[in-house]
Amino acid sequence: QQQVKQSPQSLIVQKGGIPIINCAYENTAFDYFPWYQQFPGKGPALLIAIRPDVSEKKEGRFTISFNKSAKQFSLHIMDSQPGDSATYFCAAANTGNQFYFGTGTSLTVIP
Amino acid sequence: GAGVSQTPSNKVTEKGKYVELRCDPISGHTALYWYRQSLGQGPEFLIYFQGTGAADDSGLPNDRFFAVRPEGSVSTLKIQRTERGDSAVYLCASSPTRSADTQYFGPGTRLTVL
Repeated sequence: QQQVKQSPQSLIVQKGGIPIINCAYENTAFDYFPWYQQFPGKGPALLIAIRPDVSEKKEGRFTISFNKSAKQFSLHIMDSQPGDSATYFCAAANTGNQFYFGTGTSLTVIP
Repeated sequence: GAGVSQTPSNKVTEKGKYVELRCDPISGHTALYWYRQSLGQGPEFLIYFQGTGAADDSGLPNDRFFAVRPEGSVSTLKIQRTERGDSAVYLCASSPTRSADTQYFGPGTRLTVL
């Protein structure tokens, strides 16, 4: 059973657009929700993370929106650039325990 | 400073052979994780070490998989009697604390079993 469901599988946007990637989870014990960015041939790199005590977190051009009641969270990338083209993974964890990753979203930003 | 390193970067082996994959975590990080990533999928948890001990090995798929971290630093993932289905990228991550809020991933080892 997939603990974290991620959509869409792939996304193409124009430069300057705002891609949005969505994730949903079931386990209410999860209390840490990170997003990772992965380039081909590289390991995932932490982009931004949120805990369920806040509904939104911004770091630079990246924003996480968190809806605890709906058990959903999403990543927004403002003013997207071609260099943002990568695969993005959401994850969920109960602090101190294993991470559960989504299946990934391949983002392409067209110049 | 140096990040997480993994060797080899690529490993090709034949079905039935034994392989070892090595992970050098960031110096001083006490927590170490192994994941397996199949093509088009997210990383899948295998095992977690806190210091020298395996705190959670619930993700190991079967008894052909084993991992050690004898001195609390370098870790080796060992796969016996490899099968074609074991082909994947094996990722290692380390974290400075047990809370594992921030996991730093290595580049992975791509294992291909022919």
